[in-house]
Amino acid sequence: GIQVEQSPPDLILQEGANSTLRCNFSDSVNNLQWFHQNPWGQLINLFYIPSGTKQNGRLSATTVATERYSLLYISSSQTTDSGVYFCAGRPGGGATNKLIFGTGTLLAVQP
Amino acid sequence: DTAVSQTPKYLVTQMGNDKSIKCEQNLGHDTMYWYKQDSKKFLKIMFSYNNKELIINETVPNRFSPKSPDKAHLNLHINSLELGDSAVYFCASSTASGNYGYTFGSGTRLTVV
Repeated sequence: GIQVEQSPPDLILQEGANSTLRCNFSDSVNNLQWFHQNPWGQLINLFYIPSGTKQNGRLSATTVATERYSLLYISSSQTTDSGVYFCAGRPGGGATNKLIFGTGTLLAVQP
Repeated sequence: DTAVSQTPKYLVTQMGNDKSIKCEQNLGHDTMYWYKQDSKKFLKIMFSYNNKELIINETVPNRFSPKSPDKAHLNLHINSLELGDSAVYFCASSTASGNYGYTFGSGTRLTVV
């Protein structure tokens, strides 16, 4: 099946720093999303970004579907950004509707 | 006005018991899912229903039985609970095409003692 790799697996930042998280897919995907799982365990939808670039405040995301990767940019990080960031996508071709998750990036933002 | 709501949020129970988790969505989606998050935070699909019909069953033990009374509800019943069933269970919903993304509930943390 499709493999979803995220990098880095762990990241520690000082408050105010910027970072880039990467998501690579082994095959074509549709419906790519980025999620933030906060320290309370809630999965929060950050971006639905099958292709192109979107921005929401200090966060932005870019997906290059033809090259099977997506990037999440966090600027001016805050302690509330801490948690696990997941990317997920649905295998292309329409044969299945299951969303395949990456292994996540654990982010800790220190004051 | 929560989009996808699950109950209960926490569930602590003894081995061998039977328990249920309920899920409801008010987004008008016709597809609903159950995902399991293990202790290493890995999220994996268990079941998918489209308009009350089972679409995906991902090699889940038959002690787990989903039930969808209508397209806005997908409940998960677990028989004879085992220690290894301890995990966080997430309900989600989407359109059939998945366009506009998947919306997840806040999760149910199940602990089997």
